[in-house]
Amino acid sequence: EAGVAQSPRYKIIEKRQSVAFWCNPISGHATLYWYQQILGQGPKLLIQFQNNGVVDDSQLPKDRFSAERLKGVDSTLKIQPAKLEDSAVYLCASRVSGGALDTQYFGPGTRLTVL
Amino acid sequence: GQNIDQPTEMTATEGAIVQINCTYQTSGFNGLFWYQQHAGEAPTFLSYNVLDGLEEKGRFSSFLSRSKGYSYLLLKELQMKDSASYLCAVLGTGGFKTIFGAGTRLFVKA
Repeated sequence: EAGVAQSPRYKIIEKRQSVAFWCNPISGHATLYWYQQILGQGPKLLIQFQNNGVVDDSQLPKDRFSAERLKGVDSTLKIQPAKLEDSAVYLCASRVSGGALDTQYFGPGTRLTVL
Repeated sequence: GQNIDQPTEMTATEGAIVQINCTYQTSGFNGLFWYQQHAGEAPTFLSYNVLDGLEEKGRFSSFLSRSKGYSYLLLKELQMKDSASYLCAVLGTGGFKTIFGAGTRLFVKA
């Protein structure tokens, strides 16, 4: 079974530039998450999708971050414009459903460096 | 508020046993996860506890006490490859939002 795919793996940009990340969840997984993990910290949920609908985006900085999951499969996360403090690893995870017993499977992440 | 506490770092010797503690205060509780994360890699699932007690899985065991808001991960017969960060995460209610602790970095020395 293929895992969660993310691209790019690494990205370096200058502040005020824009960047986009892509995630392809495990086939059949209805729930998709984007997390931000700053070095030395645990993952922080940015947004959670159930199919193509948003379940939770309370911690998404909506003035600069946006995410979509068209057709309920792939998802993109965009930052526009980027700030220095956005330097982090962006993890995508998916789960079969929203059920408690279903574990999340994480992708390899995209390491973003903002200069 | 919601809070998950774990020690920042621990060091143990190869072949030994180590216990990583986690305390939590969350507005809802639907279970607790432990994940392992090697440097530069994504977290991988280790265990899930929703009822009080001990769950054993090979060299890894996880314990939960809901009344105390407390869990621990027990690693036996430590190997060098166990050097990693261990993340405690609580699954909330209402949408099943997962809240992660900052992680405990475990160093296994020879």
